[in-house]
Amino acid sequence: NAGVTQTPKFRVLKTGQSMTLLCAQDMNHEYMYWYRQDPGMGLRLIHYSVGEGTTAKGEVPDGYNVSRLKKQNFLLGLESAAPSQTSVYFCASTPGGNEQFFGPGTRLTVL
Amino acid sequence: QKEVEQDPGPLSVPEGAIVSLNCTYSNSAFQYFMWYRQYSRKGPELLMYTYSSGNKEDGRFTAQVDKSSKYISLFIRDSQPSDSATYLCAMTDSNYQLIWGAGTKLIIKP
Repeated sequence: NAGVTQTPKFRVLKTGQSMTLLCAQDMNHEYMYWYRQDPGMGLRLIHYSVGEGTTAKGEVPDGYNVSRLKKQNFLLGLESAAPSQTSVYFCASTPGGNEQFFGPGTRLTVL
Repeated sequence: QKEVEQDPGPLSVPEGAIVSLNCTYSNSAFQYFMWYRQYSRKGPELLMYTYSSGNKEDGRFTAQVDKSSKYISLFIRDSQPSDSATYLCAMTDSNYQLIWGAGTKLIIKP
């Protein structure tokens, strides 16, 4: 039981490049979330999904897209990376309720 | 003004001390109140959650909620170096989304 895994762990992009972050969970959770964490800002919700095939915008969705084609996977895409998207990205999942289970994070730097 | 305010610290205390971590909030509709612990370069993990005003105890940890003052606290007794981490408070809004504090970095000195 791996819990929530994130790929890759680190990435450096140049401005304008694109990339996809992969989140996978093996707990059969319905709800999945993408957050970004910046110093002094706490966790901010980018997008979330309440089940396979569904997605919804969170607090800071601009510049990001997501897909949930399979229940266990939640993908976060950056179409044209900007330096303002330099951050640590966390994926989380939950069956419902208050406890969210987090992945180890992806550290992204955009030059 | 942020909906949830939390002093970022760092808060440095000697081993064995009682630690008090706090958050204030502005939205009286918040329903559940949680404390997550985040070790360096790791994802957050749930430590405790409470629903109503009052205290909830779990081992060395006590969570306290005062809805009338819109104030929550986490107390750590007999603090250990292994408690050194960032502690984030979080609250659920009417849509059951989590609203997060910025986190307080805690350092326990041996």
